[in-house]
Amino acid sequence: KAGVTQTPRYLIKTRGQQVTLSCSPISGHRSVSWYQQTPGQGLQFLFEYFSETQRNKGNFPGRFSGRQFSNSRSEMNVSTLELGDSALYLCASSKRQGRDTEAFFGQGTRLTVV
Amino acid sequence: TQLLEQSPQFLSIQEGENLTVYCNSSSVFSSLQWYRQEPGEGPVLLVTVVTGGEVKKLKRLTFQFGDARKDSSLHITAAQPGDTGLYLCAGASENNFNKFYFGSGTKLNVKP
Repeated sequence: KAGVTQTPRYLIKTRGQQVTLSCSPISGHRSVSWYQQTPGQGLQFLFEYFSETQRNKGNFPGRFSGRQFSNSRSEMNVSTLELGDSALYLCASSKRQGRDTEAFFGQGTRLTVV
Repeated sequence: TQLLEQSPQFLSIQEGENLTVYCNSSSVFSSLQWYRQEPGEGPVLLVTVVTGGEVKKLKRLTFQFGDARKDSSLHITAAQPGDTGLYLCAGASENNFNKFYFGSGTKLNVKP
């Protein structure tokens, strides 16, 4: 069974540009969440999508947005990139919706903004 | 401010020693998960604990969820170099089971 797949693995962008990251969840998983991981702040929740709807959002500026498609695949977009956006962006998918929900992570996309 | 406080932040021990990592909060969680992460990779799920007071064992790893579902611990017996990595605890929100709050992590180095 394939795990969570994130593409691309590495990206280098210039300040002011925009970027789109992709996440394919485990087959059968309908919930996809995005996290940002930096050395200073650790793992921070960006947003979660379920059945193409954003169910929850973290405390990030509007430059960070996402969407989910009917096949549960998700994309995350960051516009007007800043140096501080350099981070490992992680996507997690989950199947169950109860208290025993388990999140499975992809390998991440390493974004470097120069 | 982290919702989940992990301690210690760094731990360097010799192979064969025992260790405990703590994850504490003033908030109640619906469940708590432990992950291990290698550099440049995504976190890998080790265990999920759901019930207050629950204890789960995974070979040499023992996980415990506090009675009040606010804290957890991970105990490793006879640590091995292969246990080296970043250990993360994550609590699931009571209102949204798919929203996780992560601790800052414990970087473990086991020397042969």
